[in-house]
Amino acid sequence: AQSVTQLGSHVSVSEGALVLLRCNYSSSVPPYLFWYVQYPNQGLQLLLKYTSAATLVKGINDFEAEFKKSETSFHLTKPSAHMSDAAEYFCAVSPSWNTGNQFYFGTGTSLTVIP
Amino acid sequence: DTGVSQNPRHKITKRGQNVTFRCDPISEHNRLYWYRQTLGQGPEFLTYFQNEAQLEKSRLLSDRFSAERPKGSFSTLEIQRTEQGDSAMYLCASGRSENTEAFFGQGTRLTVV
Repeated sequence: AQSVTQLGSHVSVSEGALVLLRCNYSSSVPPYLFWYVQYPNQGLQLLLKYTSAATLVKGINDFEAEFKKSETSFHLTKPSAHMSDAAEYFCAVSPSWNTGNQFYFGTGTSLTVIP
Repeated sequence: DTGVSQNPRHKITKRGQNVTFRCDPISEHNRLYWYRQTLGQGPEFLTYFQNEAQLEKSRLLSDRFSAERPKGSFSTLEIQRTEQGDSAMYLCASGRSENTEAFFGQGTRLTVV
Protein backbone atom coordinates (compact mmCIF):
# COMPACT_ATOMS: atom_id res chain seq x y z
CA ALA A 1 0.00 0.00 0.00
CA GLN A 2 1.11 3.52 -0.74
CA SER A 3 0.69 6.52 1.52
CA VAL A 4 2.14 9.94 2.09
CA THR A 5 2.43 11.94 5.30
CA GLN A 6 3.02 15.66 5.19
CA LEU A 7 4.17 16.99 8.54
CA GLY A 8 2.78 20.42 9.27
CA SER A 9 -0.47 21.47 7.67
CA HIS A 10 0.58 25.12 7.88
CA VAL A 11 4.06 26.58 7.49
CA SER A 12 4.94 30.28 7.71
CA VAL A 13 8.24 31.74 6.61
CA SER A 14 9.54 35.24 6.14
CA GLU A 15 10.23 36.48 2.64
CA GLY A 16 13.79 35.52 1.77
CA ALA A 17 13.97 32.72 4.33
CA LEU A 18 14.48 29.03 3.67
CA VAL A 19 11.38 27.01 2.82
CA LEU A 20 11.23 23.42 4.11
CA LEU A 21 8.12 21.31 3.58
CA ARG A 22 8.25 17.77 4.88
CA CYS A 23 7.02 14.61 3.22
CA ASN A 24 7.41 11.00 4.30
CA TYR A 25 6.15 8.11 2.25
CA SER A 26 5.22 4.53 2.83
CA SER A 27 5.69 2.10 0.01
CA SER A 28 6.51 -1.57 -0.29
CA VAL A 29 8.75 -0.85 -3.28
CA PRO A 30 10.69 2.23 -4.32
CA PRO A 31 8.06 4.61 -5.61
CA TYR A 32 7.89 7.60 -7.85
CA LEU A 33 7.51 10.79 -5.81
CA PHE A 34 6.13 14.17 -6.77
CA TRP A 35 5.54 17.63 -5.40
CA TYR A 36 2.63 19.65 -6.74
CA VAL A 37 1.59 23.23 -5.96
CA GLN A 38 -1.99 24.46 -5.95
CA TYR A 39 -3.05 28.09 -5.96
CA PRO A 40 -6.57 29.01 -4.77
CA ASN A 41 -9.32 27.64 -7.00
CA GLN A 42 -6.77 26.23 -9.42
CA GLY A 43 -5.64 22.79 -10.44
CA LEU A 44 -2.31 21.26 -9.47
CA GLN A 45 0.96 22.22 -11.09
CA LEU A 46 3.93 19.87 -11.04
CA LEU A 47 6.95 21.29 -9.24
CA LEU A 48 9.28 18.32 -9.52
CA LYS A 49 9.40 14.54 -9.59
CA TYR A 50 11.67 11.69 -8.53
CA THR A 51 11.69 8.59 -10.72
CA SER A 52 14.74 6.64 -9.47
CA ALA A 53 17.38 8.73 -11.21
CA ALA A 54 19.31 11.37 -9.24
CA THR A 55 18.27 11.56 -5.60
CA LEU A 56 18.45 15.35 -5.58
CA VAL A 57 15.77 16.66 -7.88
CA LYS A 58 15.52 20.23 -9.09
CA GLY A 59 12.22 21.69 -10.11
CA ILE A 60 10.69 24.93 -11.23
CA ASN A 61 11.00 28.24 -9.37
CA ASP A 62 14.20 27.14 -7.56
CA PHE A 63 12.46 24.35 -5.64
CA GLU A 64 14.31 21.13 -5.05
CA ALA A 65 13.76 17.90 -3.14
CA GLU A 66 15.98 15.08 -1.98
CA PHE A 67 14.94 11.45 -1.98
CA LYS A 68 16.27 9.70 1.12
CA LYS A 69 15.44 6.03 1.06
CA SER A 70 16.80 5.37 4.56
CA GLU A 71 14.45 8.01 5.97
CA THR A 72 11.60 7.35 3.49
CA SER A 73 11.50 11.10 2.98
CA PHE A 74 11.18 13.50 0.09
CA HIS A 75 11.29 16.95 1.65
CA LEU A 76 10.82 20.06 -0.50
CA THR A 77 13.13 23.05 -0.07
CA LYS A 78 13.71 26.47 -1.54
CA PRO A 79 16.61 28.66 -0.45
CA SER A 80 14.74 31.96 -0.45
CA ALA A 81 10.98 32.34 -0.16
CA HIS A 82 9.12 34.74 -2.41
CA MET A 83 5.67 36.18 -1.82
CA SER A 84 4.43 34.34 -4.90
CA ASP A 85 5.30 31.00 -3.26
CA ALA A 86 2.30 31.29 -0.95
CA ALA A 87 0.11 28.34 -1.92
CA GLU A 88 -0.87 24.79 -0.98
CA TYR A 89 1.77 22.14 -1.59
CA PHE A 90 1.04 18.46 -2.04
CA CYS A 91 3.42 15.54 -1.93
CA ALA A 92 2.33 12.49 -3.91
CA VAL A 93 3.51 8.94 -4.43
CA SER A 94 2.94 6.62 -7.35
CA PRO A 95 3.95 2.98 -7.51
CA SER A 96 6.95 2.41 -9.72
CA TRP A 97 5.34 -0.45 -11.54
CA ASN A 98 2.80 0.11 -14.22
CA THR A 99 -0.47 0.39 -12.36
CA GLY A 100 -1.74 3.33 -14.27
CA ASN A 101 0.29 6.00 -12.52
CA GLN A 102 -2.32 6.55 -9.87
CA PHE A 103 -1.21 9.18 -7.43
CA TYR A 104 -1.70 9.01 -3.68
CA PHE A 105 -1.59 12.50 -2.23
CA GLY A 106 -0.78 13.82 1.20
CA THR A 107 -3.16 16.18 2.95
CA GLY A 108 -1.16 19.21 1.88
CA THR A 109 0.85 21.98 3.52
CA SER A 110 -0.30 25.55 3.27
CA LEU A 111 2.67 27.90 2.91
CA THR A 112 2.36 31.49 4.08
CA VAL A 113 5.10 33.97 3.22
CA ILE A 114 5.39 36.93 5.56
CA PRO A 115 6.70 40.17 4.06
CA ASP B 1 -1.01 22.57 -26.27
CA THR B 2 -3.90 24.15 -24.43
CA GLY B 3 -3.63 22.00 -21.32
CA VAL B 4 -6.35 19.98 -19.64
CA SER B 5 -9.71 21.71 -19.87
CA GLN B 6 -12.61 21.09 -17.50
CA ASN B 7 -16.16 22.31 -17.81
CA PRO B 8 -17.99 23.76 -16.07
CA ARG B 9 -15.66 25.43 -13.60
CA HIS B 10 -18.45 25.74 -11.05
CA LYS B 11 -21.70 23.87 -10.61
CA ILE B 12 -24.38 24.43 -8.03
CA THR B 13 -27.08 21.80 -7.90
CA LYS B 14 -29.92 20.77 -5.66
CA ARG B 15 -29.67 17.56 -3.71
CA GLY B 16 -31.03 14.66 -5.69
CA GLN B 17 -30.21 16.09 -9.11
CA ASN B 18 -27.80 14.49 -11.55
CA VAL B 19 -24.69 16.35 -12.70
CA THR B 20 -22.17 15.69 -15.44
CA PHE B 21 -18.71 17.15 -15.78
CA ARG B 22 -16.54 17.16 -18.87
CA CYS B 23 -12.78 16.86 -19.21
CA ASP B 24 -10.78 17.47 -22.39
CA PRO B 25 -7.25 16.11 -21.95
CA ILE B 26 -4.08 17.19 -23.69
CA SER B 27 -4.55 15.86 -27.19
CA GLU B 28 -1.70 13.35 -27.39
CA HIS B 29 -2.30 11.89 -23.92
CA ASN B 30 -3.76 8.40 -23.81
CA ARG B 31 -4.37 8.31 -20.04
CA LEU B 32 -7.05 10.28 -18.26
CA TYR B 33 -7.68 10.40 -14.50
CA TRP B 34 -10.43 11.68 -12.26
CA TYR B 35 -9.78 12.83 -8.70
CA ARG B 36 -11.94 14.36 -6.00
CA GLN B 37 -10.62 16.95 -3.58
CA THR B 38 -12.52 17.99 -0.49
CA LEU B 39 -11.70 21.02 1.60
CA GLY B 40 -8.41 20.69 3.43
CA GLN B 41 -7.54 17.38 1.83
CA GLY B 42 -5.35 16.16 -0.97
CA PRO B 43 -6.87 14.84 -4.17
CA GLU B 44 -8.38 11.37 -3.92
CA PHE B 45 -8.13 9.03 -6.90
CA LEU B 46 -11.44 7.95 -8.41
CA THR B 47 -10.84 6.26 -11.74
CA TYR B 48 -8.70 6.28 -14.86
CA PHE B 49 -8.81 5.44 -18.53
CA GLN B 50 -6.23 4.30 -21.00
CA ASN B 51 -7.61 5.32 -24.36
CA GLU B 52 -11.29 4.39 -24.14
CA ALA B 53 -10.82 1.55 -21.64
CA GLN B 54 -11.64 2.22 -18.01
CA LEU B 55 -8.88 0.27 -16.29
CA GLU B 56 -9.62 1.10 -12.68
CA LYS B 57 -12.97 2.01 -11.22
CA SER B 58 -13.05 0.29 -7.89
CA ARG B 59 -12.21 3.58 -6.20
CA LEU B 60 -15.32 5.32 -7.43
CA LEU B 61 -17.10 6.43 -4.31
CA SER B 62 -20.41 4.71 -4.90
CA ASP B 63 -22.56 3.35 -7.69
CA ARG B 64 -23.94 6.86 -8.12
CA PHE B 65 -20.61 7.79 -9.73
CA SER B 66 -19.79 6.78 -13.28
CA ALA B 67 -17.30 7.89 -15.90
CA GLU B 68 -16.96 7.43 -19.63
CA ARG B 69 -14.41 8.11 -22.31
CA PRO B 70 -16.24 6.86 -25.39
CA LYS B 71 -13.74 7.70 -28.10
CA GLY B 72 -10.58 7.86 -26.08
CA SER B 73 -10.55 11.64 -26.14
CA PHE B 74 -12.75 13.66 -23.77
CA SER B 75 -14.27 12.11 -20.67
CA THR B 76 -17.36 12.72 -18.59
CA LEU B 77 -17.95 12.10 -14.91
CA GLU B 78 -21.56 11.76 -13.84
CA ILE B 79 -22.95 11.83 -10.33
CA GLN B 80 -26.52 10.68 -9.97
CA ARG B 81 -28.83 11.66 -7.12
CA THR B 82 -26.33 14.10 -5.68
CA GLU B 83 -25.89 14.40 -1.93
CA GLN B 84 -24.45 17.24 0.11
CA GLY B 85 -21.39 15.11 0.79
CA ASP B 86 -20.61 15.16 -2.91
CA SER B 87 -19.69 18.84 -2.66
CA ALA B 88 -16.03 18.99 -3.64
CA MET B 89 -13.59 19.92 -6.35
CA TYR B 90 -13.43 17.33 -9.11
CA LEU B 91 -10.10 17.27 -10.87
CA CYS B 92 -9.18 15.71 -14.16
CA ALA B 93 -5.63 14.89 -15.20
CA SER B 94 -4.06 13.40 -18.30
CA GLY B 95 -0.76 11.81 -19.17
CA ARG B 96 1.02 9.31 -21.37
CA SER B 97 1.32 5.66 -20.41
CA GLU B 98 5.10 5.77 -20.96
CA ASN B 99 5.53 8.81 -18.76
CA THR B 100 5.06 9.24 -15.03
CA GLU B 101 3.70 12.76 -15.15
CA ALA B 102 0.08 13.79 -14.92
CA PHE B 103 -1.13 17.23 -15.92
CA PHE B 104 -4.12 18.56 -14.05
CA GLY B 105 -6.99 20.72 -15.14
CA GLN B 106 -8.35 23.58 -13.05
CA GLY B 107 -11.16 21.45 -11.72
CA THR B 108 -14.91 21.67 -11.42
CA ARG B 109 -16.18 22.85 -8.07
CA LEU B 110 -19.49 21.20 -7.19
CA THR B 111 -21.77 22.60 -4.53
CA VAL B 112 -24.81 20.56 -3.58
CA VAL B 113 -27.46 22.56 -1.75
